[in-house]
Amino acid sequence: SAVISQKPSRDICQRGTSLTIQCQVDSQVTMMFWYRQQPGQSLTLIATANQGSEATYESGFVIDKFPISRPNLTFSTLTVSNMSPEDSSIYLCSVGGDRGPLGGYTFGSGTRLTVV
Amino acid sequence: RKEVEQDPGPFNVPEGATVAFNCTYSNSASQSFFWYRQDCRKEPKLLMSVYSSGNEDGRFTAQLNRASQYISLLIRDSKLSDSATYLCVAYGGSQGNLIFGKGTKLSVKP
Repeated sequence: SAVISQKPSRDICQRGTSLTIQCQVDSQVTMMFWYRQQPGQSLTLIATANQGSEATYESGFVIDKFPISRPNLTFSTLTVSNMSPEDSSIYLCSVGGDRGPLGGYTFGSGTRLTVV
Repeated sequence: RKEVEQDPGPFNVPEGATVAFNCTYSNSASQSFFWYRQDCRKEPKLLMSVYSSGNEDGRFTAQLNRASQYISLLIRDSKLSDSATYLCVAYGGSQGNLIFGKGTKLSVKP
């Protein structure tokens, strides 16, 4: 399965600022997913990042707040913009397995964001 | 109704116990199902896929009942190292993504 390097692992940010999270994959993948996991909650999909096209956002998430880049098949970034304490969460990127959906998905190690 | 629902627990069991987790899903079009394990402050990791015929991996047995839209995970002879949150997951979101339940927390005690 793919290996994902996600940075930063954690950060404490001031409200009103922005943070960019990076995910680097050791192989080319078509689709990358960005999830959020709020304290005590499960994972919620923010958006799907496709190379060469705009990201597709889930209901409740907008590009102005969570801009995503996907410059190539091994890399993606998620920016959390104009942060507020409500954005404090764990953010994870994910890619599908090389056997397609039956192979399960691999996750980055996550970015633990605290907004103060 | 949430797309994937599971008992949040916590399940507190002694070592050696057998414990069963249940999960239901609402979208009959979901194609594949998984159990993921998430340790505290770690990312989720695939535990096993779930097939209609049932599948077993060592002490772990997963079962899918499509008619009832029900998924189960059985852990036999629990170990301390099994303590984690177990996430029931369906594949088949609008973007080909995974849909997660809230997780069931398991704590295995000596």
